[in-house]
Amino acid sequence: SQTIHQWPATLVQPVGSPLSLECTVEGTSNPNLYWYRQAAGRGLQLLFYSVGIGQISSEVPQNLSASRPQDRQFILSSKKLLLSDSGFYLCAWSSGGLAGTNEQFFGPGTRLTVL
Amino acid sequence: AQKITQTQPGMFVQEKEAVTLDCTYDTSDPSYGLFWYKQPSSGEMIFLIYQGSYDQQNATEGRYSLNFQKARKSANLVISASQLGDSAMYFCAMRELSGGYQKVTFGTGTKLQVIP
Repeated sequence: SQTIHQWPATLVQPVGSPLSLECTVEGTSNPNLYWYRQAAGRGLQLLFYSVGIGQISSEVPQNLSASRPQDRQFILSSKKLLLSDSGFYLCAWSSGGLAGTNEQFFGPGTRLTVL
Repeated sequence: AQKITQTQPGMFVQEKEAVTLDCTYDTSDPSYGLFWYKQPSSGEMIFLIYQGSYDQQNATEGRYSLNFQKARKSANLVISASQLGDSAMYFCAMRELSGGYQKVTFGTGTKLQVIP
């Protein structure tokens, strides 16, 4: 069966510090991968999605970046965090292509607080 | 224009009663999919139900059913026999092709509280 892991679960970082959040998927190959951010009490904002290794599409211009060094690994990074980067970060995967329902399966999330 | 609109920021329902959570969408893609997710206070996102744009029947999954009205572009979630554990945020989402890839857009959510 497929599982998706995210770490760390919680993170408190000072403004201006770097960030690296990691997401890995097991039990599937060539998934579509997504990073979302959810501000407190708000909906999900798509940040990045990837359909393959090295293929990243950005939805919102910001000081964050994403990379996909391996098929089932998706990394969210920042060189300098802003206060507005605080939120709940969710990684998700869906099967590649157009077959089936292609629902997204979410990881447990990382709660980031920037002080 | 908003792709997915959920007009109810919060809803209350009595335990054991049915509740309908509204969702309208906007797309020009003839082949799209609609999803509902549940997010309890723990933060995890739980997939509930899916409706494809070409599906003739309304989707049902246990106590969840999706009232799909294609002409009105609405995909309301109906929860029957509400339970206390149904208290959570509920998000409607739409998958459509954009630039050759699937993209999923989420609504802003509805917070459901079940009253004993």
